[in-house]
Amino acid sequence: GAVVSQHPSWVICKSGTSVKIECRSLDFQATTMFWYRQFPKQSLMLMATSNEGSKATYEQGVEKDKFLINHASLTLSTLTVTSAHPEDSSFYICSAWTSGTETQYFGPGTRLLVL
Amino acid sequence: AQSVTQPDIHITVSEGASLELRCNYSYGATPYLFWYVQSPGQGLQLLLKYFSGDTLVQGIKGFEAEFKRSQSSFNLRKPSVHWSDAAEYFCAVGTFNTDKLIFGTGTRLQVFP
Repeated sequence: GAVVSQHPSWVICKSGTSVKIECRSLDFQATTMFWYRQFPKQSLMLMATSNEGSKATYEQGVEKDKFLINHASLTLSTLTVTSAHPEDSSFYICSAWTSGTETQYFGPGTRLLVL
Repeated sequence: AQSVTQPDIHITVSEGASLELRCNYSYGATPYLFWYVQSPGQGLQLLLKYFSGDTLVQGIKGFEAEFKRSQSSFNLRKPSVHWSDAAEYFCAVGTFNTDKLIFGTGTRLQVFP
């Protein structure tokens, strides 16, 4: 149980385009979903927290207009990187949290390369 | 403020040897403690967690961790390491009134045959 999927697993796009990443909790309803960014050989950096039906809460230094988060249901959250640039290239990981287990379960990650 | 320290950036062990990965936390109350493992290019997999009760926690893949309040530690152990255990290990701390996690910087485990 507690499986989280992400789609796509990797994406290559041209500079200036927008990219959408989906995060789904497959076998449970997630009260909260989180979006992280991870640079090579580094720890996870929390970007934002999203709750179903509410606006996402962004961490300091994260541009909310750059990284649009939509949490349409208890099983789906999306992260859209708008007008992507090469510096946005990174590994993006989502997690889903349920109050029943008080635990974050992570997706497999999405590798974004902006050319 | 909460913080998590993983003192060892990189550890190398021989297959079959025992393993201990260190984790120290800073938090005023009883924390929720987690160990996650990340294989290259993958997401994080939960190994084990501690909320309360027995301070020795058993996890998946033969891992265990012991919560020591007096030392503010939550070290991860395995009696005999397998080559497939080579990965990045993250310790994380949370609290009962928030769903956020604070992560350590990670320890990269390398296993030699």
